[in-house]
Amino acid sequence: AQRVTQPEKLLSVFKGAPVELKCNYSYSGSPELFWYVQYSRQRLQLLLRHISRESIKGFTADLNKGETSFHLKKPFAQEEDSAMYYCALYIIQGAQKLVFGQGTRLTINP
Amino acid sequence: DAGVTQSPTHLIKTRGQQVTLRCSPKSGHDTVSWYQQALGQGPQFIFQYYEEEERQRGNFPDRFSGHQFPNYSSELNVNALLLGDSALYLCASSSYYGYTFGSGTRLTVV
Repeated sequence: AQRVTQPEKLLSVFKGAPVELKCNYSYSGSPELFWYVQYSRQRLQLLLRHISRESIKGFTADLNKGETSFHLKKPFAQEEDSAMYYCALYIIQGAQKLVFGQGTRLTINP
Repeated sequence: DAGVTQSPTHLIKTRGQQVTLRCSPKSGHDTVSWYQQALGQGPQFIFQYYEEEERQRGNFPDRFSGHQFPNYSSELNVNALLLGDSALYLCASSSYYGYTFGSGTRLTVV
């Protein structure tokens, strides 16, 4: 079965504190994982993908195949990080589709 | 580049009616996917179109159908609307790498 689980629906941290948004996946093939972000009143946009191993807006995520996890981290949260975050599994089997988690709403308190 | 454009932005329909949603892909993208995002949930894959054919379908009934035109634009049709079809419908276009999402059409069934 292909499944993505984000255990926290809501996460609230103070500005300057570290942030970790959890993501676990279930997939029998070789996983390709993404984090998408949706700021208030904006469209869903790609934040980062594990293949590129880059850091966007200070966020990083490491794929841990042993724990089947792809947690998103940032050492020092900023108020503009408040948004909805979705972890997604990219599957190519005939079509290319994304399997999303239910999302985590991150709120950064001043 | 206008990115992915969807129309209309909002729509209210009555149970049993039919609806058509439209999507213009990002320039250079030839593949269009549709997702349904219910309130509080992550987007769920409906189907994908490439070269005017449906490539793959998610777990959605036949009431959901689509079409892709030679200019790569696409339509999503839903027949015999149910209250449970109320959701944000997202269109995403893609080429070799990644998706670009539209802002969505908010469908309310009353």
